[in-house]
Amino acid sequence: GAVVSQHPSRVICKSGTSVKIECRSLDFQATTMFWYRQFPKQSLMLMATSNEGSKATYEQGVEKDKFLINHASLTLSTLTVTSAHPEDSSFYICSARGQRGSGTEAFFGQGTRLTVV
Amino acid sequence: AQSVTQLGSHVSVSEGALVLLRCNYSSSVPPYLFWYVQYPNQGLQLLLKYTSAATLVKGINGFEAEFKKSETSFHLTKPSAHMSDAAEYFCVVSGSGNTGKLIFGQGTTLQVKP
Repeated sequence: GAVVSQHPSRVICKSGTSVKIECRSLDFQATTMFWYRQFPKQSLMLMATSNEGSKATYEQGVEKDKFLINHASLTLSTLTVTSAHPEDSSFYICSARGQRGSGTEAFFGQGTRLTVV
Repeated sequence: AQSVTQLGSHVSVSEGALVLLRCNYSSSVPPYLFWYVQYPNQGLQLLLKYTSAATLVKGINGFEAEFKKSETSFHLTKPSAHMSDAAEYFCVVSGSGNTGKLIFGQGTTLQVKP
């Protein structure tokens, strides 16, 4: 069954507003969470890596002030897209790695389709 | 630094035919390698993984992959394709341990024709 829950699955927001996406590990402690962005028919682009209790590490070219990541507990990480614009419309996917399985693989959420109008 | 290259962005096979999805990796440290599958508008599901144990790895849904260090490859195969196998497949490399980030290949779309 699903071990990582991502919410919401779809969201439409107005340009200039902020949107928060939640990622929860359901039955294990996720020491590391990853946030990806995926454009249509493209691969996943890693945006940032977050470890519980510490600041996220952002990939080159990703604006940390625009994409706020919080990993306040071992089961929850959030991504907030601030002052969203139409170019932020995309499919956002989180994944979690920790004390499940061998600890080497990451488990993925179902993704969030963000549309900014 | 690590990277992964999937050869062929689109593969089409007939139902019942062999599936072969190619993946080559580059890694300065012993890699962990994964294959994930993604169905439309969904997250990713782990098919199989290589973490330095057996070089021939068996996964779910009849898929398997062989780690070949000399060829820096980790190709995904399935003897007989099913219609339900049509999806996007990603080869992923990571550093060993549970702190390395996952680096994705470009993805391969598998089409299965009746």
